[in-house]
Amino acid sequence: DAKTTQPNSMESNEEEPVHLPCNHSTISGTDYIHWYRQLPSQGPEYVIHGLTSNVNNRMASLAIAEDRKSSTLILHRATLRDAAVYYCIQDYGQNFVFGPGTRLSVLP
Amino acid sequence: KAGVTQTPRYLIKTRGQQVTLSCSPISGHRSVSWYQQTPGQGLQFLFEYFSETQRNKGNFPGRFSGRQFSNSRSEMNVSTLELGDSALYLCASSLAVAGTNTGELFFGEGSRLTVL
Repeated sequence: DAKTTQPNSMESNEEEPVHLPCNHSTISGTDYIHWYRQLPSQGPEYVIHGLTSNVNNRMASLAIAEDRKSSTLILHRATLRDAAVYYCIQDYGQNFVFGPGTRLSVLP
Repeated sequence: KAGVTQTPRYLIKTRGQQVTLSCSPISGHRSVSWYQQTPGQGLQFLFEYFSETQRNKGNFPGRFSGRQFSNSRSEMNVSTLELGDSALYLCASSLAVAGTNTGELFFGEGSRLTVL
């Protein structure tokens, strides 16, 4: 069974970079890695996704290990609005297996 | 562009009853998936529909069922409710057609079900 592992919680100071790790040791060659975040009382929100190469978008960067068994979500400058639960997800194709999530706290 | 709309937002039922939840996807999205979120189990995949066909199903009992209509709107039904069915039920839509890349999922705010 697919399983992703993430730290339960992390803390960051405002304006500093944040590196959120995820292990997905059972990932297969065609499974994409997605990251979503969930703010209180809201549904999850897409952050970024990738397959093998590192990816960048306006929200974050995704660094994928060469063996694809782990990845790191990078928020370049954390803001108070980035405080949320961040989920690392293996994509089986129309079937997301959510990890337990990392609760990120951002300190002013 | 309107987002994913779920109704009702909150509801309370008693054990043994059944419930139907509705989801209207973003216009043009033909894939709709459903997730259950509880404090103990986190987010778990229920099922996914595309063009009125169920393509994937998670590991839930047969009491959980769903369907999708020709306009892509979807409903899920839970029969013979149990206390453990209390959860936030989330619907998501996407443009994904096929293949292993789901692409971006757009989630609604969820329907919070309480079973007494």
